[in-house]
Amino acid sequence: AQSVTQLDSHVSVSEGTPVLLRCNYSSSYSPSLFWYVQHPNKGLQLLLKYTSAATLVKGINGFEAEFKKSETSFHLTKPSAHMSDAAEYFCVVSDWGSGGGADGLTFGKGTHLIIQP
Amino acid sequence: GAGVSQSPRYKVAKRGQDVALRCDPISGHVSLFWYQQALGQGPEFLTYFQNEAQLDKSGLPSDRFFAERPEGSVSTLKIQRTQQEDSAVYLCASSPLGRGSDTQYFGPGTRLTVL
Repeated sequence: AQSVTQLDSHVSVSEGTPVLLRCNYSSSYSPSLFWYVQHPNKGLQLLLKYTSAATLVKGINGFEAEFKKSETSFHLTKPSAHMSDAAEYFCVVSDWGSGGGADGLTFGKGTHLIIQP
Repeated sequence: GAGVSQSPRYKVAKRGQDVALRCDPISGHVSLFWYQQALGQGPEFLTYFQNEAQLDKSGLPSDRFFAERPEGSVSTLKIQRTQQEDSAVYLCASSPLGRGSDTQYFGPGTRLTVL
């Protein structure tokens, strides 16, 4: 069975400083990993995804994430935070199609990113 | 292009009432998913369709929940005899093919409040 742990429920950074949102996963197979963002009263939007190609994945709005199999981690980073980055971020795992697991995505509980002016 | 749409956006039901939530996926997308997002939580998988076939309903919390996609396009999630614990945002997502690596495109959700 697959699972995701987001290590921080809330992260607060100052505008212009780096962002780090931590995620660890558990999967019996070769997973696909995603980060989604959810702004208030808006739908979930894909930031980036890892699907067994390059381990460093670049996404939209300057975000990137590195897949580290030895650490079972997929942390999300951004060099310089912007006020518009304030939102809820979800780390997501899917091992569907790898030989096992449910057909849906498994979401972490989310990290609320707060940007201080 | 048009994204995933859901209706209604908000639904208030009295306990015991039946509700029906609609999802219009992106045209041509083979796969359709339903998720339930409780307040302050991440979405949880309910069920999955590939075209009109419901291939996985392992996440449906009880037999009061029923989903269909009869023509392989629009889908309806029905909840019978609603209970207060059914209050949540119900999200629909679609993806082009039937692969786990596919990006899922999410609708805005239907917020269900059961009084």
